[in-house]
Amino acid sequence: DSGVTQTPKHLITATGQRVTLRCSPRSGDLSVYWYQQSLDQGLQFLIQYYNGEERAKGNILERFSAQQFPDLHSELNLSSLELGDSALYFCASSVETSGRWSDTQYFGPGTRLTVL
Amino acid sequence: DQQVKQNSPSLSVQEGRISILNCDYTNSMFDYFLWYKKYPAEGPTFLISISSIKDKNEDGRFTVFLNKSAKHLSLHIVPSQPGDSAVYFCAASARGRRDDKIIFGKGTRLHILP
Repeated sequence: DSGVTQTPKHLITATGQRVTLRCSPRSGDLSVYWYQQSLDQGLQFLIQYYNGEERAKGNILERFSAQQFPDLHSELNLSSLELGDSALYFCASSVETSGRWSDTQYFGPGTRLTVL
Repeated sequence: DQQVKQNSPSLSVQEGRISILNCDYTNSMFDYFLWYKKYPAEGPTFLISISSIKDKNEDGRFTVFLNKSAKHLSLHIVPSQPGDSAVYFCAASARGRRDDKIIFGKGTRLHILP
């Protein structure tokens, strides 16, 4: 158990819909990272937040957005969903105090999103 | 455009033997490389890393070798154990740049055979 929690575990929805994935980092970790793992693209970094502010952006689509709240939990919002958005979405956290990328990221168990 | 490539989707190795997982990269700006391990229904866990100023880093049974001229790195696991069966992701970043985000390969599934 990494200490990072993600809800829900599974999500099934239809094309065109909007969903919100939630992540609670380990206690004391200031950085939260979001990743997408799909069958054809492997593991892709989406976005990093550090202490409430966006810190780094990866291959995140404009239809996707994220935020980190004052209590440090984070939400990833996916809108206008397409079939290709079906994937595992991981959240990770790290204690890195400078806000820079940290090797030692603790990953949550993921949310499996299925778009029908 | 795949900047980090793991060309073997899967690999089977006998227990006790050496497992060698390979990774190639194309971006010469990458200066930091990592390996993550992932079990089913769990998130990835960090395994080992190497900076471009080194050509080898060892941690117990795990050794990562970096060949900068060939833009190639490999992860050696000796001896291989049943618990090593997992998906291994190679990743790279350009830490010298301001936007030092990480790029992952698609992963190699390692099966350790009894």
